[in-house]
Amino acid sequence: RKEVEQDPGPFNVPEGATVAFNCTYSNSASQSFFWYRQDCRKEPKLLMSVYSSGNEDGRFTAQLNRASQYISLLIRDSKLSDSATYLCVVNGGGGGNKLTFGTGTQLKVEL
Amino acid sequence: GAGVSQSPSNKVTEKGKDVELRCDPISGHTALYWYRQSLGQGLEFLIYFQGNSAPDKSGLPSDRFSAERTGGSVSTLTIQRTQQEDSAVYLCASSLAGTGGTDTQYFGPGTRLTVL
Repeated sequence: RKEVEQDPGPFNVPEGATVAFNCTYSNSASQSFFWYRQDCRKEPKLLMSVYSSGNEDGRFTAQLNRASQYISLLIRDSKLSDSATYLCVVNGGGGGNKLTFGTGTQLKVEL
Repeated sequence: GAGVSQSPSNKVTEKGKDVELRCDPISGHTALYWYRQSLGQGLEFLIYFQGNSAPDKSGLPSDRFSAERTGGSVSTLTIQRTQQEDSAVYLCASSLAGTGGTDTQYFGPGTRLTVL
């Protein structure tokens, strides 16, 4: 089983739609959780951290369920510019700062 | 300010040759990481430097891979006797403190390595 699992997609949605991505992780000792965004042939960039209480940044909402080892990202009112691959990222736990990346979920927002 | 920079941006080499990839982290960042991303794959952790501590080399795939970080700043990833399966994008990241697992890692643009 992969340490971080995501549906690769692609998710093709019309502009203005709401779309949700899910991610599961296997290491129950994981301490920190993130969503990164990666555009085609570009480096990953932090989109948002994910907190147990859930957090929102504009059109983006991230949630964490530690009991189920599950992370989600919700994008409301999607824009063409949201088209990218969204990477679920988990700190491996046990100290240190090694991140484990999912393979990403591809989103295509269309007119 | 300047972000993480990497050089070269592209490297094509022949199987069996050695290559060196360079990373300049953000000034003041004490932690530096190397990852690689193969086509259609997720990022794979390679090695992590934190200040003067011994590096975490747990992700290096073989003894052909090594990395150094001189003066707590610039890092070089060396791949000896390259193989075709080494072809990937090698990404470097840095973070401010590298502790507690909550540091934001900032990535460089990567070096695309192609081994013929």
